[in-house]
Amino acid sequence: ETGVTQTPRHLVMGMTNKKSLKCEQHLGHNAMYWYKQSAKKPLELMFVYSLEERVENNSVPSRFSPECPNSSHLFLHLHTLQPEDSALYLCASSQGALPGDWTANYGYTFGSGTRLTVV
Amino acid sequence: KQEVTQIPAALSVPEGENLVLNCSFTDSAIYNLQWFRQDPGKGLTSLLLIQSSQREQTSGRLNASLDKSSGRSTLYIAASQPGDSATYLCAVTTWDSNYQLIWGAGTKLIIKP
Repeated sequence: ETGVTQTPRHLVMGMTNKKSLKCEQHLGHNAMYWYKQSAKKPLELMFVYSLEERVENNSVPSRFSPECPNSSHLFLHLHTLQPEDSALYLCASSQGALPGDWTANYGYTFGSGTRLTVV
Repeated sequence: KQEVTQIPAALSVPEGENLVLNCSFTDSAIYNLQWFRQDPGKGLTSLLLIQSSQREQTSGRLNASLDKSSGRSTLYIAASQPGDSATYLCAVTTWDSNYQLIWGAGTKLIIKP
């Protein structure tokens, strides 16, 4: 394990389901991220939380809803997804507090991801 | 808008060879550049981080170079091993990206025994 734990590892859901992805870090990091990784495409940044406040929302559809209840936990709530949302969803954390903290890149640690399939 | 490109998308070489992976970026005003490794079905592992003021970083058999003026970075892997097989991604941070990473699509490397 890298220090960032994601559950579940695999998830298959129907388009009408509601599910949640969980991410947990005990590294003392201040920033947490959700990324989407689709085949042969660059990672897409979805959401950024810094000190438990959302600081970035990259035009993500409202069927994805993040939640950061404390500095160690991050959730991604999913509802009425589409087949094109099938991808690997990665959680990451980093030391610095955004915006503007130059140490934000330091200690960048990823979880193993959740492989999501929407049927 | 900063764009990061990695060519080739895939590379297969025999074990023992030295090899170079390439990363190019369109805006030379970067803050730093990082190389990551991703194994199938797993998350990413940070390999090397090069600050904008540095020319290279080394870790074991890995050496990453940075040429900001030409918008290029290379990852050199010496004496490749089958365990080096993975996808290698580079990412840059620019001053106006709020220190967030801008990613290339990666190079999938296969080392043949």
